[in-house]
Amino acid sequence: AQRVTQPEKLLSVFKGAPVELKCNYSYSGSPELFWYVQYSRQRLQLLLRHISRESIKGFTADLNKGETSFHLKKPFAQEEDSAMYYCALRAGNTPLVFGKGTRLSVIA
Amino acid sequence: GAGVSQSPSNKVTEKGKDVELRCDPISGHTALYWYRQSLGQGLEFLIYFQGNSAPDKSGLPSDRFSAERTGGSVSTLTIQRTQQEDSAVYLCASSFWGAAVDEQYFGPGTRLTVT
Repeated sequence: AQRVTQPEKLLSVFKGAPVELKCNYSYSGSPELFWYVQYSRQRLQLLLRHISRESIKGFTADLNKGETSFHLKKPFAQEEDSAMYYCALRAGNTPLVFGKGTRLSVIA
Repeated sequence: GAGVSQSPSNKVTEKGKDVELRCDPISGHTALYWYRQSLGQGLEFLIYFQGNSAPDKSGLPSDRFSAERTGGSVSTLTIQRTQQEDSAVYLCASSFWGAAVDEQYFGPGTRLTVT
């Protein structure tokens, strides 16, 4: 069975500091990996997916198959980055499997 | 265009009552998903509809939960004989094909409180 682990429930960083939200997965095949974000009083939305290899709002995430990780990184955190972040995995034509989420708080 | 919509936005019900939650997906999306978001538990998959295929019900927590999708569009999630542990935000999402790389678009959710 697929599983996604986000070890941190809450991560607090100062504005301008680097941030890394950890995500590890378990799946024997080649998964599709995503980061979803939920800002306060907004709906859950896609932030980025590994297949696109893009940077969104300064965030990047690299799939490391050896470590089965897909950590989300940003070199300089901004206050508007404060939100709930969910890592998700998809194996073929199946529903997304989400981690339990990490609440990022960026302190001014 | 209009995104995924859900109704009601909030529902308070007494333990033992039945509730129906509605989801209107984005027009043209063939795949529809229901998730449950509980405090500290993240997002829990409930059920998945893809086109005319039989739904994937593997995430439904008990036989009190059921869902229908009529005409390949609107979906209703029904919870019978509600229990306090059913209190959560119920999220609906849709995607175009249901392929692995598809983006899932989420609705605003229905907050269910069972008293």
